Amino acid sequence: DTEVTQTPKHLVMGMTNKKSLKCEQHMGHRAMYWYKQKAKKPPELMFVYSYEKLSINESVPSRFSPECPNSSLLNLHLHALQPEDSALYLCASSQQQGADYGYTFGSGTRLTVV
Amino acid sequence: DQQVKQNSPSLSVQEGRISILNCDYTNSMFDYFLWYKKYPAEGPTFLISISSIKDKNEDGRFTVFLNKSAKHLSLHIVPSQPGDSAVYFCAASGSNTGKLIFGQGTTLQVKP
Repeated sequence: DTEVTQTPKHLVMGMTNKKSLKCEQHMGHRAMYWYKQKAKKPPELMFVYSYEKLSINESVPSRFSPECPNSSLLNLHLHALQPEDSALYLCASSQQQGADYGYTFGSGTRLTVV
Repeated sequence: DQQVKQNSPSLSVQEGRISILNCDYTNSMFDYFLWYKKYPAEGPTFLISISSIKDKNEDGRFTVFLNKSAKHLSLHIVPSQPGDSAVYFCAASGSNTGKLIFGQGTTLQVKP
């Protein structure tokens, strides 16, 4: 299995809702990442987990809450989002933390906040 | 302040010819550079990378050149194929942080 699987592929949520994005990989990778990509913009790093511990938080608002329950799974819990949070949320993994290990990206979750 | 820049939003090339995509960076701490390809509704797919200790890396039709003094890298695709039509992102990273900084992307169209 050489894939990063993200679910759901599409999500529409209201500003008062609580939802979660899920990311799964079975490649034995020990680093996992959340990126956010707005339309016609490059992906921007949100969080990095290394060996299930939060390694980097790029000053992301607390309405985004990451969780890494085990080495294969990465969640992003969403609460009280704003319409400007609508974007493509990409998960990635790598063997270890570090660009030279190569990232594998998932297909993303297209989030719309209404 | 954009640390990684792709100044050409789009590029159109005839099938069989060379495609050259360019990328500039400002942070001298970057020591690893990557190119990703992205189709609509999909995540980026890794193409090729280069470490700052090299000035060229080749993989099949794809070659990446790095000019550290100019803080410039380029991706050459030879020969270009219609299936290469996609958005190409340049990315840079430093000191094994795992943090990739992406450029804005260049949309490549290869015409049959």
